Amino acid sequence: RKEVEQDPGPFNVPEGATVAFNCTYSNSASQSFFWYRQDCRKEPKLLMSVYSSGNEDGRFTAQLNRASQYISLLIRDSKLSDSATYLCVVQGDSSYKLIFGSGTRLLVRP
Amino acid sequence: EPEVTQTPSHQVTQMGQEVILRCVPISNHLYFYWYRQILGQKVEFLVSFYNNEISEKSEIFDDQFSVERPDGSNFTLKIRSTKLEDSAMYFCASREGAAGELFFGEGSRLTVL
Repeated sequence: RKEVEQDPGPFNVPEGATVAFNCTYSNSASQSFFWYRQDCRKEPKLLMSVYSSGNEDGRFTAQLNRASQYISLLIRDSKLSDSATYLCVVQGDSSYKLIFGSGTRLLVRP
Repeated sequence: EPEVTQTPSHQVTQMGQEVILRCVPISNHLYFYWYRQILGQKVEFLVSFYNNEISEKSEIFDDQFSVERPDGSNFTLKIRSTKLEDSAMYFCASREGAAGELFFGEGSRLTVL
């Protein structure tokens, strides 16, 4: 099983749509979770951290389910500028490294 | 806003040549990383560095790779004898503590011919 697994997509949605991405991780001892965004040929940038209780930042909502070892990202009212690859990132409990999923590509069309 | 800076932005080299990629992490950060991304593939961990030594490295980071923090600001990745499969975007990253946001540089694209 891959350390961090994501559906590669692409998800092709109209502006204004709600879209959800899921991610699963294999190390049950993982402690920190993040969603990063990567635009084409650019560096990854933090979108949001994911907390145990779930958290929201504007149109973005992240959830963590430790029992099932999955993380989700919900984007409401999609904008054209949301088109990007969304990377699920996990850090283990005794590790400095962050492990990246392969990313889910989102295309928002007019 | 503080940022991680990387040079060069693009380097083309012949197979077998040595390459040094340079990074200046954010000044108050203590944890430094190199990642690579082959075109169309995932971001892969290479190495983490803390307190002037390697804290973790991946299977990719073999004897051909080394890292160094030669002074108080630079963090370098050296590839001793490049192979075609080393062609990738190399990202340097840093963070203030052992947890929290990882800040990435814009990357150095390495092309090995």
